Amino acid sequence: DTGVSQDPRHKITKRGQNVTFRCDPISEHNRLYWYRQTLGQGPEFLTYFQNEAQLEKSRLLSDRFSAERPKGSFSTLEIQRTEQGDSAMYLCASTQDSFYGYTFGSGTRLTVV
Amino acid sequence: QKEVEQDPGPLSVPEGAIVSLNCTYSNSAFQYFMWYRQYSRKGPELLMYTYSSGNKEDGRFTAQVDKSSKYISLFIRDSQPSDSATYLCAHSGGSYIPTFGRGTSLIVHP
Repeated sequence: DTGVSQDPRHKITKRGQNVTFRCDPISEHNRLYWYRQTLGQGPEFLTYFQNEAQLEKSRLLSDRFSAERPKGSFSTLEIQRTEQGDSAMYLCASTQDSFYGYTFGSGTRLTVV
Repeated sequence: QKEVEQDPGPLSVPEGAIVSLNCTYSNSAFQYFMWYRQYSRKGPELLMYTYSSGNKEDGRFTAQVDKSSKYISLFIRDSQPSDSATYLCAHSGGSYIPTFGRGTSLIVHP
């Protein structure tokens, strides 16, 4: 296991379309996090899972966003009816109950045109 | 006021210089402080992590937390061109959800 894997790396979509991103965490990590990062800003928390349970959601996560982590393994983040303001880097991170080993993936860059 | 304030830079220094990066934060309840390094088109990677106040050293890097002034610092000794990146400070409570600053862009030129 070489780290947190995110797919796709880049996604260009038309406004109004739905998109789905996937994150594969480090296999022994029980916590999985989604962040959004726009140019010149730090990552902003969206939501997190402990195993398969979604325990916290940010106010940034509008009704158009949904995340799942079936069976506590990989996770998906879906954005419905994309808007230009959704253009950002979407980052996934995982950890096993510690800041040590808190590992980010390389992100999925979304461009909404 | 943002929870974590950080000057975006860029900060440009010659190779071998000592670099000082700083942040201020507002939530005095948070006890965990982190520094991340982010290269272009990559996710952040954890550099240093401290709990409560004090100093922590790891090779060329020293992290310092002053809770009385709500100030977080990262010092890089003998800076190298490979240190050129964006440095993000962050703090957190016990839920392992860091609140990040906007990052400082560092350029180390040969």
